[in-house]
Amino acid sequence: EVQLVESGGDLIQPGGSLRLSCVVSGFTFSNYWMDWVRQAPGKGLVWVSRINRDESSVSYADSVRGRFTISRDNAKNTLYLQMNSLRAEDTAVYYCARVAAHDGYCTSTSCYRSSDIWGQGTMVTVSS
Amino acid sequence: DIVMTQSPDSLAVSLGERATINCKSSQSVLLSSNNKNYLAWYQQKPGQPPKLLIYWASTRESGVPDRVSGSGSGTDFILTISSLQAEDVAVYYCQQYYNTPVTFGGGTKVEIK
Repeated sequence: EVQLVESGGDLIQPGGSLRLSCVVSGFTFSNYWMDWVRQAPGKGLVWVSRINRDESSVSYADSVRGRFTISRDNAKNTLYLQMNSLRAEDTAVYYCARVAAHDGYCTSTSCYRSSDIWGQGTMVTVSS
Repeated sequence: DIVMTQSPDSLAVSLGERATINCKSSQSVLLSSNNKNYLAWYQQKPGQPPKLLIYWASTRESGVPDRVSGSGSGTDFILTISSLQAEDVAVYYCQQYYNTPVTFGGGTKVEIK
């Protein structure tokens, strides 16, 4: 069974740091680009970051660039999101998602595909 | 960034009736080289993560019932649930993946009338 399981969410004070993890199983992790997408309480979906298969290409939403870092460990089947200088507006459920292989195309630096498998999410609350 | 606008924000439909959701992109998401629209639809039930329903604007993901269909091209797209069932109660999102960053519509909440 294909599975993505996020962890690491917590209540953290503004300016603090947190590292999220997403452990995957049921597919060959190293063959797929991966996303982080977040959803503030009662709000819609917002893409946060994307990483290619070997970490040579990463991209970020403007709202998190310079504060968040996406990475992966293919040997551990794990995706990470290091979140620094957290703000109240970063409060959200953070989902990891697998970038689909059945539509679109990828270049060496970008991938134009939907996301076909999502984890259950982990809640990050930034508040004093 | 490409802006995705969905309408309506919510709709209530009787069981067995048709539900129609609109999605408009601020620029075309049709790639001329392969004539594919880089547009996906997701369903999110309460307390659950999103689920991919449709990609390339009209191709159903495996396991998605055929009462769910997508149509449209260029900048205007529609998600149709032909005969609403109780399990279809959810928020539906469109997403463009023609350009980076990928962007989502604001969502449409579907309820039972």
